[in-house]
Amino acid sequence: GQQLNQSPQSMFIQEGEDVSMNCTSSSIFNTWLWYKQDPGEGPVLLIALYKAGELTSNGRLTAQFGITRKDSFLNISASIPSDVGIYFCAGPYGGATNKLIFGTGTLLAVQP
Amino acid sequence: GAVVSQHPSWVICKSGTSVKIECRSLDFQATTMFWYRQFPKQSLMLMATSNEGSKATYEQGVEKDKFLINHASLTLSTLTVTSAHPEDSSFYICSAPDRGARNYGYTFGSGTRLTVV
Repeated sequence: GQQLNQSPQSMFIQEGEDVSMNCTSSSIFNTWLWYKQDPGEGPVLLIALYKAGELTSNGRLTAQFGITRKDSFLNISASIPSDVGIYFCAGPYGGATNKLIFGTGTLLAVQP
Repeated sequence: GAVVSQHPSWVICKSGTSVKIECRSLDFQATTMFWYRQFPKQSLMLMATSNEGSKATYEQGVEKDKFLINHASLTLSTLTVTSAHPEDSSFYICSAPDRGARNYGYTFGSGTRLTVV
């Protein structure tokens, strides 16, 4: 079945550092989504990508849709303590049902 | 923006009892609700899709008789974990597509932490 693999699995960085994480798939996606999940909460959408090669920013976050449609990356610049959480990529599958498959997640810890 | 209200936030129940989790779309109509389960340190796994007015569809390996889903109205979907056992302890999250959203509008509930003792 489809799988979305994220790397790295976890990151421990100092406040102010830039962060990069990526997501790869064995199959093509037409949309890539990046979510952040705080402990004990549901995921919150950060960035949505709709077109191969697209580069989109949301504040300190930048994400790109890979031209092969099988990967995407998320960058966070000048990290702050509230960036702590688990970051998931996700993509819709299942045709008209628009179900989401989530990546394996990247845990980010930021030391003040 | 669109809000999905999920209750309860956490619940502890005895083994063998049933637990109901509710998800309500507060300011939009949710004809579809997705139910996910997340074990500690793992990703969200889709369990089932509920559709208003019709039977839910379950993902492979998810027991229909154990996880009863009802989508009684355009704003309410419920998941009942029947005869819960410790291995059902998990974080359950619902999500509804907001068709009116400009972006890819999946709104997630805040999750329910189920602990079966």
